[in-house]
Order: sequence, then structure tokens, then C-alpha cells
Amino acid sequence: DTGVSQDPRHKITKRGQNVTFRCDPISEHNRLYWYRQTLGQGPEFLTYFQNEAQLEKSRLLSDRFSAERPKGSFSTLEIQRTEQGDSAMYLCASSPGGVNEQYFGPGTRLTVT
Amino acid sequence: EDQVTQSPEALRLQEGESSSLNCSYTVSGLRGLFWYRQDPGKGPEFLFTLYSAGEEKEKERLKATLTKKESFLHITAPKPEDSATYLCAVQARVTNAGKSTFGDGTTLTVKP
Repeated sequence: DTGVSQDPRHKITKRGQNVTFRCDPISEHNRLYWYRQTLGQGPEFLTYFQNEAQLEKSRLLSDRFSAERPKGSFSTLEIQRTEQGDSAMYLCASSPGGVNEQYFGPGTRLTVT
Repeated sequence: EDQVTQSPEALRLQEGESSSLNCSYTVSGLRGLFWYRQDPGKGPEFLFTLYSAGEEKEKERLKATLTKKESFLHITAPKPEDSATYLCAVQARVTNAGKSTFGDGTTLTVKP
């Protein structure tokens, strides 16, 4: 399978704990995106990487959220001091340069209790 | 700020009953409009990109069209396997990042 992969697929955590998610994009794709989706809503943009550089970050992303893409390959999204409002599906997408459509992974479903 | 509104929120069809889904958008210079399909518990799957008014794209029973203010996804003679949530998204020309703004989707149910 050469699609976008995400790990873990499901995560249950207690309020106040830190969590980290991983995304492996399609290998030749230099652009990587993180989105958040809650039930009944469309995906909401969080942040964007071109290679290893984080070029855009949503105003909605509080300082509890941080993302990295070392060496321009896989990416991690960390949420510190989780809150119940962080419960959502976290989606990763990638695309090659010069192409505008995005290819999504299966998502990581986070539940904060 | 870019905005995407999809209607209806939910649509129930009998197998073979054709219909259309609407996506209205406002964007400061359209780079592209995208349709995705999303099955429950999965990530969105890319269907079409439309770039300019008057453009049309087709794939099997689906046909997407674009005007300056809206896009339609026409479903001809749908089958139960077409049941899914269909998402519309736009990218503005001003963004270099390819950030997409999504609507909340139309959930289509096709009954046999």
C-alpha cells in the first residue's frame, strides 16, 4: 500500500495528558498537511509543510499544538495538556509539487476523557 | 475569508434516482475547487478538481460542474455503493500553501 499512513488509528487519553500522532506521506510528495475533523463537520486546516519547513499554521492552532517534519519525510503532531475539546479525527494529507489536490490518510481518532 | 456552503446536508435517494449536490463558495481568487468522497471512519478520497467556470469533469456516475459562484455534483442512476459523504473544498490563488477550505459535506444515502 503506497498511500498516506497514520499511527495510531485510535487514541484514548485522559485530560491533561500529552499525545503524539505520526503521519507517513506518499513517498514522492513534498507537501504535507494536517487537518482536524469533528463529527458532522468538514476538515479544518491546522498546518502545512513543504519539505521540512512549516510554512503555514492556522490561527486556531493554540500553543498546545506543535508539528514537525524532520528531514521532510514523516510528520508528527503533538498535543500537550489535552482538553475534551481536542477530541476529533486528526487527518494528514500529502500532495506532490504542482498538484493541488490532496491525498488523505485514514486519520487518527482522539478521544479525551 | 474563504467560505464553502454545501446543500442539502443529507440526501436520501432510491437506487437509480438521479440528483445533484450543491456547493456554494466565496473565495478571493479561485485556484481550484475540489470534490472528495468520505466513507464513515475514513479519510476523504479525491474525486475531481475544477479550475474555471464552465469546466466539467466526469467519473462513472458522477459529474462535477463549476460556475463563478457554485459547483454541482450530479449523480446519475446512483447505486447503494455511492452512499457516502461528499465534501467540497476550495483553494485561493493567494495561498502558496495549498490550504483547502472545506464545506461540511452532503451525506448521501442510496437505498436499493
